[in-house]
Amino acid sequence: DTGVSQNPRHKITKRGQNVTFRCDPISEHNRLYWYRQTLGQGPEFLTYFQNEAQLEKSRLLSDRFSAERPKGSFSTLEIQRTEQGDSAMYLCASSLANVGTEAFFGQGTRLTVV
Amino acid sequence: QQQVKQSPQSLIVQKGGISIINCAYENTAFDYFPWYQQFPGKGPALLIAIRPDVSEKKEGRFTISFNKSAKQFSLHIMDSQPGDSATYFCAASPSGNTPLVFGKGTRLSVIA
Repeated sequence: DTGVSQNPRHKITKRGQNVTFRCDPISEHNRLYWYRQTLGQGPEFLTYFQNEAQLEKSRLLSDRFSAERPKGSFSTLEIQRTEQGDSAMYLCASSLANVGTEAFFGQGTRLTVV
Repeated sequence: QQQVKQSPQSLIVQKGGISIINCAYENTAFDYFPWYQQFPGKGPALLIAIRPDVSEKKEGRFTISFNKSAKQFSLHIMDSQPGDSATYFCAASPSGNTPLVFGKGTRLSVIA
């Protein structure tokens, strides 16, 4: 499968623990996006990268959230000191940098904080 | 502040009927308007997208109508099928390669 791959698919964690998610984009895509989706809502933008450079962070991305894309390939999203409000689906998407190109989404990582 | 407003929240259509979902936007810098389809437990998948230089785009049973002056766009699904039952999201961005702003979604149920 050459689509966007996210791991793990599901994560249950206790409040206060740290969690890390991984996203492997489509190989030739240089843009990578993270979104968060809560039940009954549309995806909300968190942050995005062009190659290894983080271009923009949403104000939704609190200090407890950090994202990296160290070699311009895969990316990780870490949440420190998780809170129940962090429970959501975390979606990764990738695209080429050209204007008008489609963003392809992965299947997401569903996080449940108990 | 919600920049893309989507309606209705849910929609029930008979098989063979036309499903219509509407979106309105506020930011005049938006110039790329995609529609995504999402099945439970899956990520969103692009259905069709339009740029404001055209007023309509059709791909198979799916058509986007775009009204730049009203800042509105809509998705029409012709000959709706039970397999179309999913959640549909409109989105917008200042260009096709920048972060998307999504509507809240419309849950479509197509009944036989």
